[in-house]
Amino acid sequence: NAGVMQNPRHLVRRRGQEARLRCSPMKGHSHVYWYRQLPEEGLKFMVYLQKENIIDESGMPKERFSAEFPKEGPSILRIQQVVRGDSAAYFCASSAGQGLSNQPQHFGDGTRLSIL
Amino acid sequence: AQRVTQPEKLLSVFKGAPVELKCNYSYSGSPELFWYVQYSRQRLQLLLRHISRESIKGFTADLNKGETSFHLKKPFAQEEDSAMYYCALKNNAGNMLTFGGGTRLMVKP
Repeated sequence: NAGVMQNPRHLVRRRGQEARLRCSPMKGHSHVYWYRQLPEEGLKFMVYLQKENIIDESGMPKERFSAEFPKEGPSILRIQQVVRGDSAAYFCASSAGQGLSNQPQHFGDGTRLSIL
Repeated sequence: AQRVTQPEKLLSVFKGAPVELKCNYSYSGSPELFWYVQYSRQRLQLLLRHISRESIKGFTADLNKGETSFHLKKPFAQEEDSAMYYCALKNNAGNMLTFGGGTRLMVKP
């Protein structure tokens, strides 16, 4: 089991471009979470998804950010018209279904987004 | 609103010394607390959680609801314990984790 896979590991974009970050959960996991870590800070929750559904997006900025977890394929975090303040490490985590109580979240290596 | 505070950004101890990484939380309900660790050039990984009441790599943490704390302790630090440590809280309304700012532990030889 390769664990949670995120790609790319590093992504450089110019202001105004779009950034797409991908996350494949661990095998058998149907819950995906995205977190953002700004320099010198802890991880901040952004969004929680299950297949084809957004369950909680209370941590997502209201504009330019979107997330999806389609029936087939990885979860995508999309940032449109990037600005310098979007530079951060973006981590994805996954867990097994909620039918099993207290399942821990397993994290990927993260994507380091740099905006020029 | 829930909040996790790790008051120390950096903790430096000598090998063999006891170590305590502090974590305080605020949450009105019954929280579930975790410690995650990130070793150099590795991904964040779960170290332990309070419901398991286990010792991992010699570390223990006890949930103190009166003091709203979940401090991580180890009686004798090892050099390989040097890493970033994050305390996290999961509320019982959902699965999201609220993280503290992290503490960098440096164990000197």
